[in-house]
Amino acid sequence: DTEVTQTPKHLVMGMTNKKSLKCEQHMGHRAMYWYKQKAKKPPELMFVYSYEKLSINESVPSRFSPECPNSSLLNLHLHALQPEDSALYLCASSQDRVRVVYNEQFFGPGTRLTVL
Amino acid sequence: QKEVEQNSGPLSVPEGAIASLNCTYSDQGSQSFFWYRQYSGKSPELIMFIYSNGDKEDGRFTAQLNKASQYVSLLIRDSQPSDSATYLCAVNRDDKIIFGKGTRLHILP
Repeated sequence: DTEVTQTPKHLVMGMTNKKSLKCEQHMGHRAMYWYKQKAKKPPELMFVYSYEKLSINESVPSRFSPECPNSSLLNLHLHALQPEDSALYLCASSQDRVRVVYNEQFFGPGTRLTVL
Repeated sequence: QKEVEQNSGPLSVPEGAIASLNCTYSDQGSQSFFWYRQYSGKSPELIMFIYSNGDKEDGRFTAQLNKASQYVSLLIRDSQPSDSATYLCAVNRDDKIIFGKGTRLHILP
């Protein structure tokens, strides 16, 4: 199984809503990532989890809250978002963040988020 | 200087020809280099990765790395209309990968 899955595919939410994005992989990868991608821009790294611990937070606003319940699952909790947070949210996983040369990242299909 | 630089394109190539995509990077300590293909509205798909100087071939794709020049390229032979996409060059720095802005490739039927 070489797949990263994400749910939901699309999400529309108001600025006062609380929602969660989910990501799952069964490749035995121990590093998982959240990226945000705006149209015609490259993916921007938000968070990195390594062995279920948060290792990188790229100064992301607190209205985004990541969670890694186990080595296969990654969540992104959303609260009080702004319209400018509308974007494609991508989850990725890689084998091992410590061994750089094996750091190929595999992306899920993404969640298209619209904040009204 | 940006960490990873690519020409944004669009790069237009006739069907059946060789498409050549280029990327330069600034961190001399980078060890891993990736090419992702991204269709409009879809997520990035890893198509090639290279760690050593020289060429690496996989089907119609060849990645070329020159660490002395801090340059990595992707050649696509026998270009097909289905190769039309944005190609993202990515370079590993520490425990992150840094993406270039991507080159839009358009294969002309």
